[in-house]
Amino acid sequence: GAVVSQHPSWVICKSGTSVKIECRSLDFQATTMFWYRQFPKQSLMLMATSNEGSKATYEQGVEKDKFLINHASLTLSTLTVTSAHPEDSSFYICSASHNTGELFFGEGSRLTVL
Amino acid sequence: QKEVEQNSGPLSVPEGAIASLNCTYSDRGSQSFFWYRQYSGKSPELIMSIYSNGDKEDGRFTAQLNKASQYVSLLIRDSQPSDSATYLCARGRAAGNKLTFGGGTRVLVKP
Repeated sequence: GAVVSQHPSWVICKSGTSVKIECRSLDFQATTMFWYRQFPKQSLMLMATSNEGSKATYEQGVEKDKFLINHASLTLSTLTVTSAHPEDSSFYICSASHNTGELFFGEGSRLTVL
Repeated sequence: QKEVEQNSGPLSVPEGAIASLNCTYSDRGSQSFFWYRQYSGKSPELIMSIYSNGDKEDGRFTAQLNKASQYVSLLIRDSQPSDSATYLCARGRAAGNKLTFGGGTRVLVKP
């Protein structure tokens, strides 16, 4: 399948700092990428849809000013968690939409906020 | 009613047997369906996609779709301990659209 790379795979930060996570589609162009969050033993929760060249669409209950998404090119989307707090600690996973309609996931980024 | 429903399990299966996973969805406008496998602490991995009614086979996996009954299933033949994981069912309306995931079914294959 197609390859989606996510970086960093894990990050620990202090409360109040910001963290940026990158998501790259390595072998295909993705006009649409999605950001998910997953808490332990729970399913994937869609946070936002990232469209290249336009503003992201956020799901209900997700603060757009806290979770900044930028999709500046057809192969890169970034998620910045601003002023992170311990309750933001989670597994953040990006995915890229292939033109076949299939969704391919990055490796995930485990965020721990102290 | 959740948009995509799965039995959370665990589904315990002896090694070599067939594991049968079920998924129902509520949106009749759904056009694309996917099964993902997720190991603990890892991100989901695409196993199968299916778009039309009937069966689709890929190796030891067979996906079955019945749009009239709003039902999609996954069969894993000759189950191996390495198949022990959580299996996520997902649906979408069209290519490039967001997918809605079920809660996942945890499968345990016992040697």
